Amino acid sequence: AQSVTQLDSQVPVFEEAPVELRCNYSSSVSVYLFWYVQYPNQGLQLLLKYLSGSTLVKGINGFEAEFNKSQTSFHLRKPSVHISDTAEYFCAVSPPGTGFQKLVFGTGTRLLVSP
Amino acid sequence: DTEVTQTPKHLVMGMTNKKSLKCEQHMGHRAMYWYKQKAKKPPELMFVYSYEKLSINESVPSRFSPECPNSSLLNLHLHALQPEDSALYLCASSPLAESYNEQFFGPGTRLTVL
Repeated sequence: AQSVTQLDSQVPVFEEAPVELRCNYSSSVSVYLFWYVQYPNQGLQLLLKYLSGSTLVKGINGFEAEFNKSQTSFHLRKPSVHISDTAEYFCAVSPPGTGFQKLVFGTGTRLLVSP
Repeated sequence: DTEVTQTPKHLVMGMTNKKSLKCEQHMGHRAMYWYKQKAKKPPELMFVYSYEKLSINESVPSRFSPECPNSSLLNLHLHALQPEDSALYLCASSPLAESYNEQFFGPGTRLTVL
């Protein structure tokens, strides 16, 4: 079975500073990896995903993530954050295969950007 | 149209009431999902529909009854709910029910059970 660990429940950062949100997964098989963002009182929106190929994945709103198989990590980064990036960020994994495979979410990291 | 819409945005109901949540998408997606999200927690999968057929039921109590009348619509019928069922209910869709597909989420219905 797969599991996802987001060790940081909350990450405070100043506007225009860089940020890294950590995600580690546990799986005995290869997985697909996703980062979703949830703004206050909204649904989730996909930031980026890794299926295969280049380990550096670029997403929307200036975010990127790097897949590291040896460390089973998929950390999310942004070089300069804005106030509007304040939100909850969820890392998720899904095993490849045919048919529906359940998306397993981490517990989330709240990014708090202050002026 | 690249969005999933959900109605109502908010719902307050008593434990004896019957109500329904509605979800709609016009992206031609053939997979639709219901999730339940408690405060400060990740979404929990409840149901998956693929080609209008119920594919997954994550052991959800029978007081929650899903329905997929057509490929664009997904309903969740609620009856005799408990206060602990209060949560944000999210609907999502994806092109197919395959694990590599992005899921598109609606804004959710915030349900309060009194």
